[in-house]
Amino acid sequence: NAGVTQTPKFQVLKTGQSMTLQCAQDMNHNSMYWYRQDPGMGLRLIYYSASEGTTDKGEVPNGYNVSRLNKREFSLRLESAAPSQTSVYFCASSVQGPNQPQHFGDGTRLSIL
Amino acid sequence: AQSVTQPDIHITVSEGASLELRCNYSYGATPYLFWYVQSPGQGLQLLLKYFSGDTLVQGIKGFEAEFKRSQSSFNLRKPSVHWSDAAEYFCAVGGLGGSQGNLIFGKGTKLSVKP
Repeated sequence: NAGVTQTPKFQVLKTGQSMTLQCAQDMNHNSMYWYRQDPGMGLRLIYYSASEGTTDKGEVPNGYNVSRLNKREFSLRLESAAPSQTSVYFCASSVQGPNQPQHFGDGTRLSIL
Repeated sequence: AQSVTQPDIHITVSEGASLELRCNYSYGATPYLFWYVQSPGQGLQLLLKYFSGDTLVQGIKGFEAEFKRSQSSFNLRKPSVHWSDAAEYFCAVGGLGGSQGNLIFGKGTKLSVKP
C-alpha cells in the first residue's frame, strides 16, 4: 500500500538547470498538491490540482510549473533552478472537497548550488 | 486573511509528562481543522481532524484536541508523552474560500522529549 510516492528523494542541481519532480498516488484521489517546506516557514502551497485536467496556483507559484498527467500523477517542474528554490518538496493527495485530509509523500530534498 | 498561528516554535517536555500544543486560527466561519505530525526525514501524517459535532476529538497515538470557538483555538494534548513523540507538529485549517481542499498550515512546533 504505497500511498503517495515521490521521486527522486534527493537531488542536487546547479543554478539554471531544469528538473521535474514526480509524484504518483494509488488511492484514487481526485485532488493533488505540491508544497515546499522551509525551516520556520511551515508548508506553503505551490500549485494544486483539484481534479484531473485542472491546475491552479497556490501561495508561491513563481518559478514552477505543474502537469497533471492523469489521475494518478502530478509533476512539478523547475525550468531554471535558483538557489532560493532549495527546499524540501512534498506532494499530497486527497479526496476532493474542503473537509478531506491530505495524504503526504516522504518528500524530495532539493539543493540548488 | 485566513491564518494559522502556532505560538510555540519549540517545546521540551519530560517523558511521561503531559503535553499541550497550541493552535489559533483566524477565520470567520467554523473551519475544518487538522493536526499533522512529521518525524525527521518523513512526510506529514494525520493525527486527527475536526469538522463539526463534539468539540473534543480523539486521534491516533493517544492524542486528542479540543476545538474552542470562543478562543479560535484547536489545541493538541496528550496526557503522557513518550520518547517516540519527539517530532514536529503542524496545525492546519481547511475549507477556506473557494479553494476546495486547500489547507493553510501553521509554522509548526518542534517537540523534544527529555528522558
